[in-house]
Amino acid sequence: DIQMTQSPSFLSASVGDRVTINCKASQNINRYLSWYQQKLGEAPKLLIFNANSLQTGIPSRFSGSGSGTDFTLTISSLQPEDVATYFCLQHNSWPRTFGGGTKLELK
Amino acid sequence: EVQLVESGGGLVQPGGSLKLSCVASGFTFNNHWMTWIRQAPGKGLEWVASITNTGDRTYYPDSVKGRFTISRDNIKSTLCLQMNSLRSEDTATYYCTRDRGSSHIFVSDFDDWGQGVMVTVSS
Repeated sequence: DIQMTQSPSFLSASVGDRVTINCKASQNINRYLSWYQQKLGEAPKLLIFNANSLQTGIPSRFSGSGSGTDFTLTISSLQPEDVATYFCLQHNSWPRTFGGGTKLELK
Repeated sequence: EVQLVESGGGLVQPGGSLKLSCVASGFTFNNHWMTWIRQAPGKGLEWVASITNTGDRTYYPDSVKGRFTISRDNIKSTLCLQMNSLRSEDTATYYCTRDRGSSHIFVSDFDDWGQGVMVTVSS
């Protein structure tokens, strides 16, 4: 199975900050990497697919980059409503596997 | 608007059984593979089972293979998960999800999720 390692596990930032979350795959997954946002008590929501494509309806302050084994989710200017846990998912091969999550809070 | 509404969760004793259902609306159900994903309390996400759009093939991780069965009724736009021989480690919120574009040659991510249903396995 492909292991997905996210960093950091916890992140504290201020409104307006640029925030980056990383995801590293244990082997090459090309660009088959998605990012999800999960707010407390809610289901995950797809933000980014194919490493850098913004899902419909997602604010443009969210962006993704990377290919191969190293990927990044960036929030260009943190907003209060961005407080959530963020997960990456690889779908290059079975089984599809998730990263452990990054919990983002406001400083 | 895509809607996925799960039901059937609850408290069950170890070794018991439970059947989850998910009613889908807002899209052409028989065009999409469907998947169950679970999340143990305070933990990450784990893929549980997937089924092709026609229901001709199913996929499971080793952790549930032989105990869980995923099925679908394309007439009723309903996805099910029959869970047998339940263990304490199966305690989780179970999400019904829609594969964005899986096929027999390509496995995709998940673009829509239900709100989830809680399953607690405890004596």
